[in-house]
Amino acid sequence: DGGITQSPKYLFRKEGQNVTLSCEQNLNHDAMYWYRQDPGQGLRLIYYSQIVNDFQKGDIAEGYSVSREKKESFPLTVTSAQKNPTAFYLCASSIGPVNTGELFFGEGSRLTVL
Amino acid sequence: GDSVTQMEGPVTLSEEAFLTINCTYTATGYPSLFWYVQYPGEGLQLLLKATKADDKGSNKGFEATYRKETTSFHLEKGSVQVSDSAVYFCALSDDHSSASKIIFGSGTRLSIRP
Repeated sequence: DGGITQSPKYLFRKEGQNVTLSCEQNLNHDAMYWYRQDPGQGLRLIYYSQIVNDFQKGDIAEGYSVSREKKESFPLTVTSAQKNPTAFYLCASSIGPVNTGELFFGEGSRLTVL
Repeated sequence: GDSVTQMEGPVTLSEEAFLTINCTYTATGYPSLFWYVQYPGEGLQLLLKATKADDKGSNKGFEATYRKETTSFHLEKGSVQVSDSAVYFCALSDDHSSASKIIFGSGTRLSIRP
C-alpha cells in the first residue's frame, strides 16, 4: 500500500539534544511538508520541499532543519535551538507543484522534551 | 492575511444526531476550501473540498457548501455515528502554485456517544 511512514511514533528528548524525525513516502509525490500541531491550534508549516535538493522555510522554521536528498525521504531535525519542541509533528506530501489542496499525511511523531 | 476560524470544541453528540461544525474564512482572493479529518492516532485526511462559490463538497455523508456571501464553509451531516468521532479541520488555499499555501483552522474535536 502506498503511503507516508513517519518514525518514531513517540520520542523523548533531553533538553539540549538534537533529534531527527523520519518521513518516507512511496507515493511518488514531488512535494513534501513538515507541520507542527499543538493542542487547540491549527497546523503550522515548518518546512517544505517541492523537488529534490531544494526546500523552503515555512512559517515556523527557526530551530528546525531538513534535507531532501531523495524524492522519497524528507527528515526533520529538531535542534537544541528550538525553544519549545514538545509537540506533535506531521509529515505530508502532495503530487506536485500545482495545488489541488490535497495533502497526504503520515500518522505523526509525538516529541516530548524531558 | 488569509485566515480560517472554526467553532471551538469539543462537540459532543448522541448517535444519529444532526451535526454542524461552523467554519468562516478571510481571504483576499478566491480560495478553494477544504475539510480534513483526523481520526484518533492517525494523520489528517482530506474529507471534502469545494473550489468555487456555491459548490457543494460531499463525502461519507458529510457535506459543506461554499458560501461566498457569508464567507463560510460549514460542515454538516444528517446522522452521525460513533465512528465519526475525530478532529475536523477547515482549511483554505487561494494560491494554486503550491500546497504550502494551505491554511488550517484550529480544529474541532467531535465525540459521538452511542
